[in-house]
Amino acid sequence: NAGVTQTPKFQVLKTGQSMTLQCAQDMNHNSMYWYRQDPGMGLRLIYYSASEGTTDKGEVPNGYNVSRLNKREFSLRLESAAPSQTSVYFCASTSDRTTYEQYFGPGTRLTVT
Amino acid sequence: AQRVTQPEKLLSVFKGAPVELKCNYSYSGSPELFWYVQYSRQRLQLLLRHISRESIKGFTADLNKGETSFHLKKPFAQEEDSAMYYCALSDAGGFKTIFGAGTRLFVKA
Repeated sequence: NAGVTQTPKFQVLKTGQSMTLQCAQDMNHNSMYWYRQDPGMGLRLIYYSASEGTTDKGEVPNGYNVSRLNKREFSLRLESAAPSQTSVYFCASTSDRTTYEQYFGPGTRLTVT
Repeated sequence: AQRVTQPEKLLSVFKGAPVELKCNYSYSGSPELFWYVQYSRQRLQLLLRHISRESIKGFTADLNKGETSFHLKKPFAQEEDSAMYYCALSDAGGFKTIFGAGTRLFVKA
């Protein structure tokens, strides 16, 4: 049981390049999330997926797109990376709405030059 | 607006001293409140949630609706408590969780 996994762990992009961050969970969770973590700002929700087939914007969705490929996988895409998107990205999942506990992945450190 | 405020970026205490990490929130409704912790080189993980009224690793947190606070307390800090602590709030649906900026706790020997 690996929990929540993310790939890659590190990535360096040039401005304007695109990439997809992958996230998968093996806990049969319905809800999945993408956050970014910036110094002094905590975690901010980018997008979330309450269940397979649905996605919704969070607090900071601009410049990102997501796909809930199936119940296990939730990917985050940067179509045209900008230096402001330099951050650590965390994927998380929730078992159900009665506990609200979020399980986090190890994070992806992205640098855009 | 929904907001979680952790006024201290860094808190440094001596081993054995009491510790209190402050958290204030702004939310129009009945929120679910949590404390998450991130130890060095480990994933962010849930420490405790207000609804279960439990004590984890000696930490407790009481929800004070009048003061809109959810401070995390431990009577005797240990070196292994050194970590980054985040206070978080979930809306009624549980889908949107708002995190505070975090407080780094450093427990000195």
